Amino acid sequence: GNSVTQMEGPVTLSEEAFLTINCTYTATGYPSLFWYVQYPGEGLQLLLKATKADDKGSNKGFEATYRKETTSFHLEKGSVQVSDSAVYFCALSRNNQGGKLIFGQGTELSVKP
Amino acid sequence: EPEVTQTPSHQVTQMGQEVILRCVPISNHLYFYWYRQILGQKVEFLVSFYNNEISEKSEIFDDQFSVERPDGSNFTLKIRSTKLEDSAMYFCASKDGGSPLHFGNGTRLTVT
Repeated sequence: GNSVTQMEGPVTLSEEAFLTINCTYTATGYPSLFWYVQYPGEGLQLLLKATKADDKGSNKGFEATYRKETTSFHLEKGSVQVSDSAVYFCALSRNNQGGKLIFGQGTELSVKP
Repeated sequence: EPEVTQTPSHQVTQMGQEVILRCVPISNHLYFYWYRQILGQKVEFLVSFYNNEISEKSEIFDDQFSVERPDGSNFTLKIRSTKLEDSAMYFCASKDGGSPLHFGNGTRLTVT
């Protein structure tokens, strides 16, 4: 079946450090891939998405590239800020509508000044 | 920016009781969803709803669960007879045809 696996958290970084959160997936066909972010006390917000192989999604300095050959969609940011502290969820959808999502377990990021 | 609103933010109920979780989706959205996250586990899809009927549901969404859009603005999730294992954060979400999912802040349900 379809599934998403993320690296374990929590991840603790200093401000301006480089961030990578690994995400791999298992899916039939050609899913769309998403990163959602949940700030403390808030709902999940779409951070970025990619709908086909080799697409790169980007937003707020975050990037992720849809790699079909490695079934991965790793999240990266070159220089994190304290305000990036949140829980990050990788997810897939079997179509590009992104309604029914299959989530990874979430990775908590804590950025220290 | 329009938001999905969920009430209450925290609900405590006794095992065996009925509970209704309420959501007000974004007004021009047509597709509605419920997800849940048991503490320490993944966010899981429960059900999707479109055109006044369930369009898809997961194995979790058994006969104890029901959804309703009683008027033009609310979307509710009812659990008929709560169990301890229903304790979780429940997220409502909505979208229109081309938009990504917009999530509410969630309702934390605690069954004692």
